[in-house]
Amino acid sequence: DQQVKQNSPSLSVQEGRISILNCDYTNSMFDYFLWYKKYPAEGPTFLISISSIKDKNEDGRFTVFLNKSAKHLSLHIVPSQPGDSAVYFCAASGYGNDMRFGAGTRLTVKP
Amino acid sequence: EADIYQTPRYLVIGTGKKITLECSQTMGHDKMYWYQQDPGMELHLIHYSYGVNSTEKGDLSSESTVSRIRTEHFPLTLESARPSHTSQYLCASSETAEGETQYFGPGTRLLVL
Repeated sequence: DQQVKQNSPSLSVQEGRISILNCDYTNSMFDYFLWYKKYPAEGPTFLISISSIKDKNEDGRFTVFLNKSAKHLSLHIVPSQPGDSAVYFCAASGYGNDMRFGAGTRLTVKP
Repeated sequence: EADIYQTPRYLVIGTGKKITLECSQTMGHDKMYWYQQDPGMELHLIHYSYGVNSTEKGDLSSESTVSRIRTEHFPLTLESARPSHTSQYLCASSETAEGETQYFGPGTRLLVL
């Protein structure tokens, strides 16, 4: 039972444009959401998070949006840079639930 | 900056061998986790610990075992490795509080021949 879904396995964008990565979840008890970035042969690195009391959190070029009614969150990267090319994992947890991860979206930013 | 370490980074081993994957963190975190991840798939929780002498099994059935004798150390052992154990193993830690961020080590990529 996959409670966190990233339906796009890959995304390609041009340098300088916006990257939008999407994530859906099914468990309404989740109240804390995170995005991780992972390079090949390395562990995931924490990028940005948002709690359910907010609908937006911004950190430099990265913004996470949360739509609780739709059980949907997205990560916006603007402007995208070639160094952003990596696999991005969405994760969710809360109320005693183990953290659940999506299958990841591979982002490629072309120069 | 996360201070969590895993050794070895890569391991190629024959079927039937016993192996131990090491994980250490210097952040004083109570909670530690082991995940298994295959390419294009989500991270699957195989073991976790709330603190010293606490170990729990995760969602994904695993033939591995773990121990937590010291706060900073959470090794994972496979008594008899099989090709089906080939995967990437990721260790993570977090503070105990709800809504915690997990910090990951660099991972161990295991290949069982």
